[in-house]
Amino acid sequence: AQSVTQLGSHVSVSEGALVLLRCNYSSSVPPYLFWYVQYPNQGLQLLLKYTSAATLVKGINGFEAEFKKSETSFHLTKPSAHMSDAAEYFCAVTPGYSSASKIIFGSGTRLSIRP
Amino acid sequence: GAGVSQSPSNKVTEKGKDVELRCDPISGHTALYWYRQSLGQGLEFLIYFQGNSAPDKSGLPSDRFSAERTGGSVSTLTIQRTQQEDSAVYLCASNTPAGGSYNEQFFGPGTRLTVL
Repeated sequence: AQSVTQLGSHVSVSEGALVLLRCNYSSSVPPYLFWYVQYPNQGLQLLLKYTSAATLVKGINGFEAEFKKSETSFHLTKPSAHMSDAAEYFCAVTPGYSSASKIIFGSGTRLSIRP
Repeated sequence: GAGVSQSPSNKVTEKGKDVELRCDPISGHTALYWYRQSLGQGLEFLIYFQGNSAPDKSGLPSDRFSAERTGGSVSTLTIQRTQQEDSAVYLCASNTPAGGSYNEQFFGPGTRLTVL
């Protein structure tokens, strides 16, 4: 069985500060891992994905995530927060062996940016 | 269209009524997925289609929920005898599972269902 746990349902940072959103996964098979972002009243947009090609993954809008197998983590970071980063972020996992299967989402972390 | 589209964008219904939610996947995408996003439950998988068949419908919460897909394209999610706990945003996604796709799914904007 697979699952993801996002630590912190709400994170607030100042504009220009480091953003760190935490995600830990559980998987009995090598996973594919994703971060999705959902802006207010919009659908889900893929930020980045880990597919075993490289442990440090760079995504859109300056975000990146590092896959750490020893820690079963896939934390999302951005060096300098911008007001436009305010949104809900979802970590997600799917079995890497299957080309078509459901995505298991974490509970989400709402990111607020203070001026 | 360029992306996944869903209709209606908003639906308000009375308890006990049936509703139909529609999803138009990205052209050429063979797989289609339904998820539900609600305050108490987060993002939950409901069902997925490969072509017109549904290999995994394990997430459908009750027999009041059903879905079909015709022509390998449009899908309809039907909820019979709606209950207030069915209120949620219903999201549709699609992709083309193939070597290199890594199961990235493309999401539509969702249908917000409110059951009064």
